[in-house]
Amino acid sequence: DAKTTQPNSMESNEEEPVHLPCNHSTISGTDYIHWYRQLPSQGPEYVIHGLTSNVNNRMASLAIAEDRKSSTLILHRATLRDAAVYYCILRPRLGSSNTGKLIFGQGTTLQVKP
Amino acid sequence: KAGVTQTPRYLIKTRGQQVTLSCSPISGHRSVSWYQQTPGQGLQFLFEYFSETQRNKGNFPGRFSGRQFSNSRSEMNVSTLELGDSALYLCASSLGAGAYEQYFGPGTRLTVT
Repeated sequence: DAKTTQPNSMESNEEEPVHLPCNHSTISGTDYIHWYRQLPSQGPEYVIHGLTSNVNNRMASLAIAEDRKSSTLILHRATLRDAAVYYCILRPRLGSSNTGKLIFGQGTTLQVKP
Repeated sequence: KAGVTQTPRYLIKTRGQQVTLSCSPISGHRSVSWYQQTPGQGLQFLFEYFSETQRNKGNFPGRFSGRQFSNSRSEMNVSTLELGDSALYLCASSLGAGAYEQYFGPGTRLTVT
């Protein structure tokens, strides 16, 4: 299973953009890049995913490097509610025997200061 | 639409006992996965069920088992509990096998004394 590397922790000020990096230099051509986050005392929640092109949804944007060896999760305006552990996860494409399995790393703990 | 529910939310057991945890997925979801979360090991995949069949299994001893019923509800069982089994057990459901989004429940906090 391909591995991801994320900084242990990051800080941000409220209402400022946050860029959370993830390195995945051994990503295969059919791996999707997923982001989940875990708020305190809750289960993880899905944030966004992508394959090659940048992606946007109501929660965040995902910027994927051209060589796909890294990606960045962008929170456009951080709020106190965004303080969480953010996980960058690689998942094989549909049809692979491992598609149901999420392999979590240590993630990045994001602290948002008022 | 109701989210993933897990029962019980908290549980205290003693070493050597067994425990059964329950998970009710979101209505219409047919895939259920289980994860163990500990401070030392983080989140680790236990197993995944789809249409009552186990599709994937993580690297856990045989004391950890699970099953899924025809209504997609799932249970996991841990026999001969050890102190190291103390953890938050999380269940996640998704529409189908390999679906992109998994929806997690709040977890069951198991303490083994």
